[in-house]
Amino acid sequence: EDKVVQSPLSLVVHEGDTVTLNCSYEVTNFRSLLWYKQEKKAPTFLFMLTSSGIEKKSGRLSSILDKKELFSILNITATQTGDSAVYLCAVQESGGYQKVTFGTGTKLQVIP
Amino acid sequence: KAGVTQTPRYLIKTRGQQVTLSCSPISGHRSVSWYQQTPGQGLQFLFEYFSETQRNKGNFPGRFSGRQFSNSRSEMNVSTLELGDSALYLCASSLGSTADTQYFGPGTRLTVL
Repeated sequence: EDKVVQSPLSLVVHEGDTVTLNCSYEVTNFRSLLWYKQEKKAPTFLFMLTSSGIEKKSGRLSSILDKKELFSILNITATQTGDSAVYLCAVQESGGYQKVTFGTGTKLQVIP
Repeated sequence: KAGVTQTPRYLIKTRGQQVTLSCSPISGHRSVSWYQQTPGQGLQFLFEYFSETQRNKGNFPGRFSGRQFSNSRSEMNVSTLELGDSALYLCASSLGSTADTQYFGPGTRLTVL
């Protein structure tokens, strides 16, 4: 059975800290790994990673994939209170259809 | 471009009833996927529709069903509701290939009493 495991489950940091969120996976037909941010309702897309070792960056957020070790990390530098959210990692399978398996998420709280 | 819309946003039902949820994808998107999100289980894949056909299905009982119309709008139906069906139901749309990113709607919060 496909599995996506995120760690830590929750994290409390102070504004300005740097955080690293982890995601490991076991899927049969890997196509890509996705990161989403969920604040209240709908998850919003952050990154799609398909190749090992290539860092994706957007402002203070960055992510990288290791397809050999089957994991990804999401880094957030200089955290702000607006970064408080649940960060979801998901793996998309190949096979001519959309099948995405999500991890249970890491809840990040940034305190002033 | 308008985002994914879901109706209703909130719903309260009692055990044994049935419910229908609706999802309108982003214009031009042909794939609609449905997910159930609960505090204990996280986001779990229900099914995906593409061009009016169910293309993939998760591990949910037959009480959960769906359909897609020619305009790509999708409905999800849950029959004989159980307390454990209380959850946030999210739909996500994409262009349709496995390379495409899914964009989520705001969800329908279903409470079963």
